[in-house]
Amino acid sequence: QKEVEQNSGPLSVPEGAIASLNCTYSDRGSQSFFWYRQYSGKSPELIMSIYSNGDKEDGRFTAQLNKASQYVSLLIRDSQPSDSATYLCAVYTGANSKLTFGKGITLSVRP
Amino acid sequence: DTEVTQTPKHLVMGMTNKKSLKCEQHMGHRAMYWYKQKAKKPPELMFVYSYEKLSINESVPSRFSPECPNSSLLNLHLHALQPEDSALYLCASSQGLFEQFFGPGTRLTVL
Repeated sequence: QKEVEQNSGPLSVPEGAIASLNCTYSDRGSQSFFWYRQYSGKSPELIMSIYSNGDKEDGRFTAQLNKASQYVSLLIRDSQPSDSATYLCAVYTGANSKLTFGKGITLSVRP
Repeated sequence: DTEVTQTPKHLVMGMTNKKSLKCEQHMGHRAMYWYKQKAKKPPELMFVYSYEKLSINESVPSRFSPECPNSSLLNLHLHALQPEDSALYLCASSQGLFEQFFGPGTRLTVL
């Protein structure tokens, strides 16, 4: 079982829609969860961090964490073409607390 | 300021060359990381320095040699690389198990 799993993509949504990105993790002891956005040819950019159960909102982005279900998600409201990128879920896992990434999902927002 | 800088942006080297990648952060972070990223894959952890000491080496070949001269600087020395080592090399820093901030990366091509 992979440590951090994301939906297989790609995901395509129309402009103005809500994009929903999901991630599950296997290490029940994980405490820190992150979403990174990566444009083609660029480095990952941190867009959300979440540490406790519930929702965390920042502008058009909402991260949701459910530790009981080992599930973290990212909602992007009013999606824009500039949101088109690969989104990486990342979780600190294991005894060494390494940041483990999911495979990423490519989001395309259609004008 | 959440900036991590990396030099050079691009590097082309032959298999017999010796070169170094450099990374710098001024956020006061005490953990610094080297990642390797191949196209359409998530970042893959190579090394972790914590308080200027190497704490994680992910069984990286000895042709990659990390160095942490001080709390703000991280180097990656390269020697006798193979064409399959061509990738985007990313540096990141964090304060403990909190957000990791990535630099822009060095695009390495080994001929």
